[in-house]
Amino acid sequence: EVQLMESGGGLVQPGGSLRLACSASGFTLSSFSMNWVRQAPGKGLEYVSGITANGGMTFYADSVKGRFTISRDNSKNTLYLQMTSVRTDDTAIYYCVKVENYYGHSWGHGTLVTVSS
Amino acid sequence: DIQMTQSPSSLSASVGDRVTITCRASQSISSYLNWYQQKSGKAPEILIYAASSLQSGVPSRFSGTGSGTEFTLTISSLQPEDFATYYCQQSFSSPRTFGQGTKVEIK
Repeated sequence: EVQLMESGGGLVQPGGSLRLACSASGFTLSSFSMNWVRQAPGKGLEYVSGITANGGMTFYADSVKGRFTISRDNSKNTLYLQMTSVRTDDTAIYYCVKVENYYGHSWGHGTLVTVSS
Repeated sequence: DIQMTQSPSSLSASVGDRVTITCRASQSISSYLNWYQQKSGKAPEILIYAASSLQSGVPSRFSGTGSGTEFTLTISSLQPEDFATYYCQQSFSSPRTFGQGTKVEIK
């Protein structure tokens, strides 16, 4: 069974940094592209970032470009999202998503990031 | 970036109703269009991928059509468990943008 477990969320001050992790099990992480998708409280889904299976290509929403970095360690079955220079509008639940056939096949339960002073 | 626009933003319907949600892309995305269902407090789940392919395990009352810039999600006979928010997403190019969502509520 595919399982994605996000961690690393919490309260961070504006301008601060945070690293999210997504531990994957039940499949071979190195065979799949992965995404981060977020959802601000009471709002819709927003694509944040994506990374190809071998990590060779990364993609970002304009809203996070230059501040967030996606990476992966296939040997540890873990996906990461390094968040820097965070802003209050980065407050959201962050979901880790396994991509299959160009769509989000499996989603984690999410981790809440709150940016506030 | 490709902009995705869903309509309506919300709708009220009764059990047994036929429901149609539309998603429009700002440029042609061929058939790279996916539909997700999100219930309150839960992570989204895939319903339809590649515009019209039903994900395994999803009831056949859900169907998707369209190509290019205009797409529809249809629920042929609304069931109590279908009250949720539905999102389209394009997977033609990165960033993989979502529509703003359509909330389906009980009438």
